[in-house]
Amino acid sequence: GQNIDQPTEMTATEGAIVQINCTYQTSGFNGLFWYQQHAGEAPTFLSYNVLDGLEEKGRFSSFLSRSKGYSYLLLKELQMKDSASYLCAVRDPDRGSTLGRLYFGRGTQLTVWP
Amino acid sequence: DSGVTQTPKHLITATGQRVTLRCSPRSGDLSVYWYQQSLDQGLQFLIQYYNGEERAKGNILERFSAQQFPDLHSELNLSSLELGDSALYFCASSARTGEGSPLHFGNGTRLTVT
Repeated sequence: GQNIDQPTEMTATEGAIVQINCTYQTSGFNGLFWYQQHAGEAPTFLSYNVLDGLEEKGRFSSFLSRSKGYSYLLLKELQMKDSASYLCAVRDPDRGSTLGRLYFGRGTQLTVWP
Repeated sequence: DSGVTQTPKHLITATGQRVTLRCSPRSGDLSVYWYQQSLDQGLQFLIQYYNGEERAKGNILERFSAQQFPDLHSELNLSSLELGDSALYFCASSARTGEGSPLHFGNGTRLTVT
């Protein structure tokens, strides 16, 4: 089975830094993705990690530790428009083949206050 | 704009009815995925097609079926609809079934069963 956990809600103020954690227990692992989703809209791709370490992309960074089954998304210089749900997703190579499907956590609703 | 097109945007129907949701993937993408998103379940993987063939199946009900056509568009058919089928249905596509390929999501079809 697949188990992906992330906090339900977080709040922060404009200009601050916030870290959204994700832990996973999956039968296989072939990469971890972070998506942003505004209410009622499509999820949009933010970042991808497959090796341990930090990937930086502008104001957003994502970290992965495969041995710990742990990732985090770091958002810097928060803006009001960053208020959204952030989804952690794991790609699971079922039965040894890379099928490409993603398993998603339930998302962390981030609210940025002025 | 992700390049993935879903129609219709909204669908309101009665219990027991049947509906068809349509998806056109990004140009060149061979993989199509269907997800269901409800408030209490998050994004749930339903089914994946690659170049016309079914590649992976998630928790898709027997009342639901899908197919991918030679022009790569896909349809998700939902029959004998129940109130609990009310949800956002997303289609996504990716360039290849490789570990690093993100899924690009369409804007979804909001299904309301009354």
